Order: sequence, then C-alpha cells, then structure tokens
Amino acid sequence: DQQVKQNSPSLSVQEGRISILNCDYTNSMFDYFLWYKKYPAEGPTFLISISSIKDKNEDGRFTVFLNKSAKHLSLHIVPSQPGDSAVYFCAAFKERGAQKLVFGQGTRLTINP
Amino acid sequence: GAGVSQSPSNKVTEKGKDVELRCDPISGHTALYWYRQSLGQGLEFLIYFQGNSAPDKSGLPSDRFSAERTGGSVSTLTIQRTQQEDSAVYLCASSLSGGKNIQYFGAGTRLSVL
Repeated sequence: DQQVKQNSPSLSVQEGRISILNCDYTNSMFDYFLWYKKYPAEGPTFLISISSIKDKNEDGRFTVFLNKSAKHLSLHIVPSQPGDSAVYFCAAFKERGAQKLVFGQGTRLTINP
Repeated sequence: GAGVSQSPSNKVTEKGKDVELRCDPISGHTALYWYRQSLGQGLEFLIYFQGNSAPDKSGLPSDRFSAERTGGSVSTLTIQRTQQEDSAVYLCASSLSGGKNIQYFGAGTRLSVL
C-alpha cells in the first residue's frame, strides 16, 4: 500500500530552466509534507517542508506547492543548477498518529549543462 | 561528530548469518529512526525510538529484525539469519525530539546478502 507516490522515476532538465517534481498521496490524514534530497553514497538531507494549512512555501530557488483537494504536492526549482542533480524524495507525516515519515519512491533529477 | 554516523558503511554477509548495524545519532537528539531502502524503492520505516518511551517497532518486517538503543544514544539494528531479500541500504536518522522536527540522516550501511 503505497501511500506516497512519485510517479516519475527520473526527470531531465536543462540548466537554468525550471524543474518540477511531483508527488501524490492517498491518506488525507497527512498534515505535514517534506522534500529530501539525496546524493549518491550520502544520506538524504532535508530541503523544504510545508504544513497542510498552507498551499505554498518558498525558500530561495525552491518552492513547494500543496493542493490538498487533489492530494498532490510539487517541488519547483528555479533556476535549476548542475548541483541540483540528485534523487528527490517527498515524505508525509501525520502529527496525530505514528511518528514516522512515509516516503515516496524518489525521482532522479538530472540537470544538463 | 557533528552528524549521524553509521557503521559499517558496507557489509557483505552470507545467507543465514547474523549482522549488526550501528548508529551514532547527533548528540542531544532524543529521537532515533531506522529506515531501509531497497533497490529502486523509497525509504521504508523500520523502528523509532523516542527518549525512554517504548519503541515503535511497527515497521520491522519480521521477527528476525530487532533494534536497541543503549543509554538513549547509540543504536544497534540486528538482523538474524539474513536472507537475500534483506539486501538494502539501512539508514539511520535522528531528530531533536521527534514529531515534525527535521530528521538528519546518516550515510547508511549497504548490506549485501550473498
């Protein structure tokens, strides 16, 4: 039962353009969402988060959008840089309930020069 | 160290052997998590420790898996009688006090069961 899904295993974007990574979830009880970034041979690192009471959160080049009615969130990176090439995981959390992150399968983003 | 430290970084073992994976969380972090990532999959929750509370073991896939956290700091994940399907990267994370606090991950232990 995959409660958090990232349907695109990979994405290739030209340097300087916008990267859009998508994530869907099935459990409406999730109330906090996060994006993690992972380089090879390293652990995931926190990137940005959003509470379910908001529909947008921005941090520099990174913006996360949340559409609760569609149970969909997206991460926008603009402009994309070569150092953004990594695997991106979205994760969801229920504040009232099991204190664990539920992760998607990840999307490998490649930024081409 | 400043971050979460895991050892060994790589472990190759034979089917049926027991293995122990170690995690040193960030000093002062009361919450500690174990996840695993199988090939092509996302991170799968295994177990969660928070302070002195009973751990949440709901993600452990079988009774061959166990974990302990001694003195509220270092944690060991033990897999008994390893099977080939146990091959994965095992990741440990810690956070200041659980909940929505950011989880900081170690680099993981890559386990290969031959």
